[in-house]
This record gives sequence, structure tokens and C-alpha cells, in this order.
Amino acid sequence: ETGVTQTPRHLVMGMTNKKSLKCEQHLGHNAMYWYKQSAKKPLELMFVYNFKEQTENNSVPSRFSPECPNSSHLFLHLHTLQPEDSALYLCASSHPSTSGGLSYEQYFGPGTRLTVT
Amino acid sequence: QKEVEQNSGPLSVPEGAIASLNCTYSDRVSQSFFWYRQYSGKSPELIMSIYSNGDKEDGRFTAQLNKASQYVSLLIRDSQPSDSATYLCAVTGNQFYFGTGTSLTVIP
Repeated sequence: ETGVTQTPRHLVMGMTNKKSLKCEQHLGHNAMYWYKQSAKKPLELMFVYNFKEQTENNSVPSRFSPECPNSSHLFLHLHTLQPEDSALYLCASSHPSTSGGLSYEQYFGPGTRLTVT
Repeated sequence: QKEVEQNSGPLSVPEGAIASLNCTYSDRVSQSFFWYRQYSGKSPELIMSIYSNGDKEDGRFTAQLNKASQYVSLLIRDSQPSDSATYLCAVTGNQFYFGTGTSLTVIP
């Protein structure tokens, strides 16, 4: 496997379900990100991990819970989601950036298309 | 004011023409600037990064940065139908911000 992979690619879940999204990067990066992409809206940064430590949480509802066990893997645990949470969820990785300083290129996985019914 | 602004388009150019995509940003401390291409149903793909004022060329793509004007652009020379996609501008200041993207259609 090369680059950034995500599983599953498609997920349909009810509002009472619990599911997890998985991301794995094979690029030797130390920073990983979760984004949400909804139609007609800019990419929304959800969470950032640098060296397995969460460094940003952009006011994301607690029904989204990230986990980063190591620099290569990132999970997004989902529970009691709402229909408006239906979107494309993208994982990305990069070399770590300094706060307010130079940032390196982010490479995206193929995404998970989530539908909440 | 949005952190990153792009014309949503759609922008249509004939095959072989130059496509010009523009982006303005609001955070003056921004230091890193990126262009991503996103095909319909696919994830964003990095095509250019630029960190200092001036032009940076890579094949048919040229990124231009003017920090004084808080403006970054992407020129695509000899546009091909395969260039038809949405182009996202991304800027890093204190956070990584994306624009909403400009839809480009190259007409054969």
C-alpha cells in the first residue's frame, strides 16, 4: 500500500449506530488530519494530530471522537450522528508544522462517503 | 470575511488556452500556499505549493504569489480536457484554510 488509505470507502449508518472510520498513511509523516467536506462548502478541518498528540479540535461535536494510536494510524469514532453529518470525510497526512509557521504539503486519502439515515 | 476566497466559477476555457485561477486570503501571517485539484467524486490532489513571492513553474502549471496583495494564482497553460476539475486554494497561517474551489471546464 502506498500513500494514504481510508476504510471503508462508503458507509451508511442509522442515527443510533456506532461506527469507526480508519485512516493509514505510508508516507513517513508525523501529522494527520480529519476533514469534513459537504456540498458547496469549503473543506472543514476537524482534528489535527502531531506526533500522536491532538493539537487542534475545531469545535467538533462530541459525537465525533478521534483516536491516534501511532503516527501512521488515525481513527474517527462515530456515534449518535445526525443526518446533517452526511458528508465526505477525508483523512490527510503531512510532515509536522510549527504553530503559526511554515506548513508542509498535505496528502489526502480517498475519503469515506458517509450517509446518516 | 472568509479566510480564503475564490471565484466559484464555473470557468470555461477552450482546449489549448490559458486558464487563470485566483485566490485571495485575509491572514497576513500566512506563509504557505497550496493548490489542489479535485475531480468529481475524488479527494483533493496536491498540484502546487509556493512559499515565497514570485512565480513557481511546474510543467504546464505556474503558481504566482504576492504577499503584499494577499493574492495567489494558478495558471494552467495549454489547457486540456483532463484539467477539468475543481481547484482548491489552501493557505496556512495559524490554521490550514481551504477556499470553496473554482470549477474549471476545458472545452475540446
